[in-house]
Amino acid sequence: SQELEQSPQSLIVQEGKNLTINCTSSKTLYGLYWYKQKYGEGLIFLMMLQKGGEEKSHEKITAKLDEKKQQSSLHITASQPSHAGIYLCGAAKYNAGNMLTFGGGTRLMVKP
Amino acid sequence: DTEVTQTPKHLVMGMTNKKSLKCEQHMGHRAMYWYKQKAKKPPELMFVYSYEKLSINESVPSRFSPECPNSSLLNLHLHALQPEDSALYLCASRSGAGPSNTGELFFGEGSRLTVL
Repeated sequence: SQELEQSPQSLIVQEGKNLTINCTSSKTLYGLYWYKQKYGEGLIFLMMLQKGGEEKSHEKITAKLDEKKQQSSLHITASQPSHAGIYLCGAAKYNAGNMLTFGGGTRLMVKP
Repeated sequence: DTEVTQTPKHLVMGMTNKKSLKCEQHMGHRAMYWYKQKAKKPPELMFVYSYEKLSINESVPSRFSPECPNSSLLNLHLHALQPEDSALYLCASRSGAGPSNTGELFFGEGSRLTVL
């Protein structure tokens, strides 16, 4: 089965600092999703990557999928308290796009 | 309308009760999902419906019974639950329902279930 490992599990940064969250898969990724979740709430879609080497940005968040399509990183520039939450990477299985499973999550706190 | 609406937001039930969680979307999505999320854990897939038919059941106990009465609605019927079933239940939908579709999932806010 698809295994997704996220690191770090938790992160505390000072406001204004940059940070990176990693997501590593045991198998080739055919669709890699990044979501953000506030405690006890639903998941908010951030970005989806499919092609090796692909990079996408939205506001101060950039996500990359490596060439071999087994690792993705999420980078936040100049972090703000509004970035706090749980970041989850999710992956679709090949030819089973309806199945989306998640990594363990990274809990981010941003200190003002 | 780009929302997935879940009701109720909170539910407390006894182990002998029968209750239901409801999920609704009006985006024309043809794939709908139930996920279960325990505290400090990622969401775990329970069921997937494609074109109103159950396509994936991730070995979920029969005390959880999903139902998709039409393309906009998804229910999760609960009966004889255990305290360990207490969790946040998340509904999601996706526009494409085929196995090769990799579009994003839209999630609802969840229904927080407590089983006493």
